[in-house]
Amino acid sequence: QSVLTQPPSASGTPGQRVTISCSGSSSNIGSNYVYWYQQLPGTAPKLLIYRNNQRPSGVPDRFSGSKSGTSASLAISGLRSEDEADYYCAAWDDSLSDVFGTGTKVTVL
Amino acid sequence: QITLKESGPTLVKPTQTLTLTCTFSGFSLSTSGVGVGWIRQPPGKALEWLALIYWDDDKRYSPSLKSRLTITKDTSKNQVVLTMTNMDPVDTATYYCAHRISRAAAGWFDPWGQGTLVTVSS
Repeated sequence: QSVLTQPPSASGTPGQRVTISCSGSSSNIGSNYVYWYQQLPGTAPKLLIYRNNQRPSGVPDRFSGSKSGTSASLAISGLRSEDEADYYCAAWDDSLSDVFGTGTKVTVL
Repeated sequence: QITLKESGPTLVKPTQTLTLTCTFSGFSLSTSGVGVGWIRQPPGKALEWLALIYWDDDKRYSPSLKSRLTITKDTSKNQVVLTMTNMDPVDTATYYCAHRISRAAAGWFDPWGQGTLVTVSS
């Protein structure tokens, strides 16, 4: 079951900036790193952002992450059609387990 | 290049025990800092973290599923096995294994296996 809350959907036209929020608590986001995963249709999730705002090699700098208090955000600037996917936030919880977000479906109009 | 692949039954009956195997290459589970985790995703729903095992045999389980899960590793075979007892139709999902970099809060999953769909039905 998801402990981190995300909006179910977000959308934008090509070139626009889209932001996805992720709300947690003091036991997860409030005290630990946040990670973001992208899941393209019919595929396995892929790491997009690690340790709040770090991009793995190969991830475009259009993707950026931030964290403040018990919330985090993923921003996609210069939205492209290939960004249409589900996005999940994740964090370690002090109950000694990972927790994932509820997921956000991004649609490019 | 790190790759992982899940294998196991595609169909199990209610109350049965599910055994899934993750076979990986490109890393060793005897290397300090390395782990393998299991995550599942019911059709059309969100990801759910299940379990994690580290190079030093430290194991972590989802608090809500802990009583039903067991994770083990066979370093010589480059495999991690997850067993889940007393399967129910609500456990129908795609099950993923993934390479874990670093322990606990400092760690993340990258890459993931392709996933295997397990259906629970009589």
